[in-house]
Amino acid sequence: NAGVMQNPRHLVRRRGQEARLRCSPMKGHSHVYWYRQLPEEGLKFMVYLQKENIIDESGMPKERFSAEFPKEGPSILRIQQVVRGDSAAYFCASSPRDRNNQPQHFGDGTRLSIL
Amino acid sequence: GDSVTQMEGPVTLSEEAFLTINCTYTATGYPSLFWYVQYPGEGLQLLLKATKADDKGSNKGFEATYRKETTSFHLEKGSVQVSDSAVYFCALMQGGSEKLVFGKGTKLTVNP
Repeated sequence: NAGVMQNPRHLVRRRGQEARLRCSPMKGHSHVYWYRQLPEEGLKFMVYLQKENIIDESGMPKERFSAEFPKEGPSILRIQQVVRGDSAAYFCASSPRDRNNQPQHFGDGTRLSIL
Repeated sequence: GDSVTQMEGPVTLSEEAFLTINCTYTATGYPSLFWYVQYPGEGLQLLLKATKADDKGSNKGFEATYRKETTSFHLEKGSVQVSDSAVYFCALMQGGSEKLVFGKGTKLTVNP
């Protein structure tokens, strides 16, 4: 029973390049969340998506960051023109959302390093 | 806005010692409360949760009680093991919201 799958586990980019992070939710889960963990910090909420819909993007930086969860395929977090400050661990979580406040199940994260 | 405050780490204990990691929160209403654990190089795993005042969450020997009067959700374990070494995160979620609000985490090291 596969959990939340994220890839790649590690991603290295040079300043100005694009980073694409992928997340496949647990089977039967239709809700996806992205969080960012800066060094020595807790996780910060970025965005909450359902299939083909962004429900809450209040934690997303206004520029360069975007997220999608298409009808088919994984959710994608896209960071354009990366800068050093984007270096962090990015975690995806999913939940079934058949009731309120269902626990979110996390993937192992993508560790993004910007050179 | 809502926030979670955890005791500063790191915490270093000997095997079989008693563990307490303090967690307090600031929130309107009645949020659900969670403890997550993160082992090195891995994602977060749900350890336990409580959804209303006086609920006690428990799992793998860990316990935490939702105390509304003190807005706290302290994590305890009577006898820690080396395998409990990890970072522990306290978090809350408001009813009607899907956002988890995390504390900064507390790193626990248990020595043999």
